[in-house]
Amino acid sequence: EIVLTQSPGTVSLSPGERGTLSCRASQSVGSRYLAWYQQKPGQAPRLLMYGASNRATGIPDRFSGSGSGTDFTLTISRLEPEDFAVYYCHQYDTTPFTFGPGTKVDIK
Amino acid sequence: EVQLVESGGGLVQPGGSLKLSCAASGFTFSDSAMHWVRQAPGKGLEWVGRIKSKSDDYATAYAASLKGRFSVSRDDSKNTAYLQINSLNTDDTGVYYCARSTVTRGWAYDFWGQGTLVTVSS
Repeated sequence: EIVLTQSPGTVSLSPGERGTLSCRASQSVGSRYLAWYQQKPGQAPRLLMYGASNRATGIPDRFSGSGSGTDFTLTISRLEPEDFAVYYCHQYDTTPFTFGPGTKVDIK
Repeated sequence: EVQLVESGGGLVQPGGSLKLSCAASGFTFSDSAMHWVRQAPGKGLEWVGRIKSKSDDYATAYAASLKGRFSVSRDDSKNTAYLQINSLNTDDTGVYYCARSTVTRGWAYDFWGQGTLVTVSS
């Protein structure tokens, strides 16, 4: 099973700041099959990025994704108030598929 | 409009069974793979399992730790996916989400249901 590790666990940032979230895999993940999701309290997850670097429909361009192999990054260029949430990476390359433990982005 | 609506959750005693449903609308259900993801209270997302489309022989896969008690199925004539859970224990408590994936978004989960809460307690 591919284990995903996310860092940091929690990050405190101010609106307008840049956020960099990391996802590391225990073995190589095909970059076509790495996604990022955003989840707010009481809501279902929302797809942000798929194929490591492709924004999903309606996702603003302040979100970007990069990486390959075992190291992937989600970057939020300028945090907006609505971006404070938990972010999960997800590999759907090899079954069993797995999610990372999440990074909580909270307001500083 | 794409919609996924889960149902079938509720309070169940340890050792019991439950069958969750995920009713889909607004897209070609038969072309999609369907997935189940759960979330224990205050915890992260846990992938449960998935079923592919007919063109992929309805292939299923499950989380290693859950194999044997969980079963994913689908009825394309009813646009519905199912999750059967047997021998429930308190660790199975949480919100269960269904999600779809298609080739359009590289098989990532682009639409999710609102979730159904399963509580395992005596």
